Amino acid sequence: DAKTTQPNSMESNEEEPVHLPCNHSTISGTDYIHWYRQLPSQGPEYVIHGLTSNVNNRMASLAIAEDRKSSTLILHRATLRDAAVYYCILRDGYKNGANNLFFGTGTRLTVIP
Amino acid sequence: GAVVSQHPSRVICKSGTSVKIECRSLDFQATTMFWYRQFPKQSLMLMATSNEGSKATYEQGVEKDKFLINHASLTLSTLTVTSAHPEDSSFYICSASLLQGYNQPQHFGDGTRLSIL
Repeated sequence: DAKTTQPNSMESNEEEPVHLPCNHSTISGTDYIHWYRQLPSQGPEYVIHGLTSNVNNRMASLAIAEDRKSSTLILHRATLRDAAVYYCILRDGYKNGANNLFFGTGTRLTVIP
Repeated sequence: GAVVSQHPSRVICKSGTSVKIECRSLDFQATTMFWYRQFPKQSLMLMATSNEGSKATYEQGVEKDKFLINHASLTLSTLTVTSAHPEDSSFYICSASLLQGYNQPQHFGDGTRLSIL
């Protein structure tokens, strides 16, 4: 699977939007961009995923660059409960085999009250 | 939504003890489940893929005789850490997918923190 690069940490003020970047310059045409987050002492939680078009759901929005070499996870209004490690993961949508995930180091988001 | 439950959430035991961790898909069937391990301040590392009715597939460097995996039903996979030692102390997390296919979200359990004295 292609590699992703994320900042180690970011800070945000509560109730402000947060933009979490992810670079994936070696992304292939069949790679989907997945985002998960891990709250302290919990298992990861699915956030959102997309291929080419921007995606929105109740948790976040995913903005994908036109060349797909980068993407941004957008939390529209950060709350203290959003403090977590956010992982950007590429998954080949047409690859045979198991649906496991390979986690990088992610971005640790700190939300300041 | 799909729920994956892990039990126990925390285990503290003496060196040499074998510890069994259960992973259940509560409201869906999972032919495949995954086991991860996470050391403090590190990311998750895939240990093995648990396949219902067949042998698990282990990642390179993971001892299959040390970490026994059983997936006897479509809703339950177990990981047994045999003869655990302090270096096995870690956060063990399982996951499962509601549907087949690479774009299906993985649903994770809340993890089991294993501490070997």
